[in-house]
Amino acid sequence: SQTIHQWPATLVQPVGSPLSLECTVEGTSNPNLYWYRQAAGRGLQLLFYSVGIGQISSEVPQNLSASRPQDRQFILSSKKLLLSDSGFYLCAWSVADRVSYEQYFGPGTRLTVT
Amino acid sequence: AQTVTQSQPEMSVQEAETVTLSCTYDTSESDYYLFWYKQPPSRQMILVIRQEAYKQQNATENRFSVNFQKAAKSFSLKISDSQLGDAAMYFCAYRRPYTGNQFYFGTGTSLTVIP
Repeated sequence: SQTIHQWPATLVQPVGSPLSLECTVEGTSNPNLYWYRQAAGRGLQLLFYSVGIGQISSEVPQNLSASRPQDRQFILSSKKLLLSDSGFYLCAWSVADRVSYEQYFGPGTRLTVT
Repeated sequence: AQTVTQSQPEMSVQEAETVTLSCTYDTSESDYYLFWYKQPPSRQMILVIRQEAYKQQNATENRFSVNFQKAAKSFSLKISDSQLGDAAMYFCAYRRPYTGNQFYFGTGTSLTVIP
């Protein structure tokens, strides 16, 4: 069966510090991968998605970036965090074909920028 | 980008009663998929139900059903016989059937179940 991991689960970082959140998927190959941010009391905002190694599409321009160095690894990064980067970050995957259905979500990372 | 609107930030229902959560979306595409996800306090996103736009029949999953009105671009979720475990944030989502399979989510409805 497929599983998706995210770490760390919780992170507190000062403003201006770098960020690296990691997501890995097991039990499938060539998945579509996604990063979302959920601000307090808000919906999910799609940040990045990837259809393959090294292929990243950005939905919202900001100081975050994403990379996919391996087929089942998706990394969210920042060189300098802002207070507005605080939130709950969710990684998700879906089967990479037209007839696929839902996205499968990881447990999330709660980021607090102080 | 597609927009998904959930106009009810909060809803409440008595245990064992029925509640309907609203969702509307904006799109120019004819082929797409719609979903309802549940996010309990654990924050884990759980799929509740999905609907293919080409299907006229409304999807049903046990106590959960949808009312899909394609012309009106409306996709509401009905929860029957509400249980305490149904208390959660509910998100409506729209999925494009193209490369990347982007999903777009509404802002959510927080459902409280009153014992």
